[in-house]
Amino acid sequence: EPEVTQTPSHQVTQMGQEVILRCVPISNHLYFYWYRQILGQKVEFLVSFYNNEISEKSEIFDDQFSVERPDGSNFTLKIRSTKLEDSAMYFCASRRGLAGTDTQYFGPGTRLTVL
Amino acid sequence: DAKTTQPTSMDCAEGRAANLPCNHSTISGNEYVYWYRQIHSQGPQYIIHGLKNNETNEMASLIITEDRKSSTLILPHATLRDTAVYYCIVSPIDDYKLSFGAGTTVTVRA
Repeated sequence: EPEVTQTPSHQVTQMGQEVILRCVPISNHLYFYWYRQILGQKVEFLVSFYNNEISEKSEIFDDQFSVERPDGSNFTLKIRSTKLEDSAMYFCASRRGLAGTDTQYFGPGTRLTVL
Repeated sequence: DAKTTQPTSMDCAEGRAANLPCNHSTISGNEYVYWYRQIHSQGPQYIIHGLKNNETNEMASLIITEDRKSSTLILPHATLRDTAVYYCIVSPIDDYKLSFGAGTTVTVRA
C-alpha cells in the first residue's frame, strides 16, 4: 500500500541554524500539508500546498517557514533560523483530490530537536 | 476552536467492541466527520469518514445520528494494538486542513 515517507526520522540542530525536512507524498496525490505536534500538545496545521503554491497557512507559519516541491516527488519544509520552540514532531500529509471524497494520509513524522 | 467534544479517556477490554462517542452539535451540512488515531508519537492514521450515512470499512464502523449532531466510532474487536489517541474531526468540503483536538485516549486492556 502506498504511503507517505519522511526523512530524517530525527533531526538535531543548533538554535539559529536552517533545517530542511523532507517528505515524499503518495505518488498520485495533488494536495500536500505540513503539521506539527509539540510534545504533549495537539497536532497543529501549518500549511497546505496545491498546484505549486500555498493554499492556506496558519499563524504559526511565519516568514521563518517555507515550503517547496522541488521536483515531482519531494515536498520540503524549511525553517530558516530555528528557535528552541520549534522543537516538535513534524508530519507531512498528502491527499489525492476533492475534500470529502478522500482524505489525508500522514507520514511517520520527523522529530526536530533544537538545542 | 475545536468543533467536537470527546471523552478524555476510556478503557475497553481486548476482544470486545469499543464504542467511541463524539459530539459535533454545530456541524454544518457541508462538513464531513473524520476519525483518525495516533499511536504513541506516530503520524495520525486515517480510520474512516462520513457525511450522513453510516460507513464501514475493514478497520471500523461509523454511526452518525440522523440529526448529524453526534457520531460513534466502533472498533468491532479491540486488540492491544488499538491502544491510541482517537480524534474525531469535522471538516468542510472546501476546507483542506484538519483541526485536531485533544481526542480520546483509548486503552485496551487484556
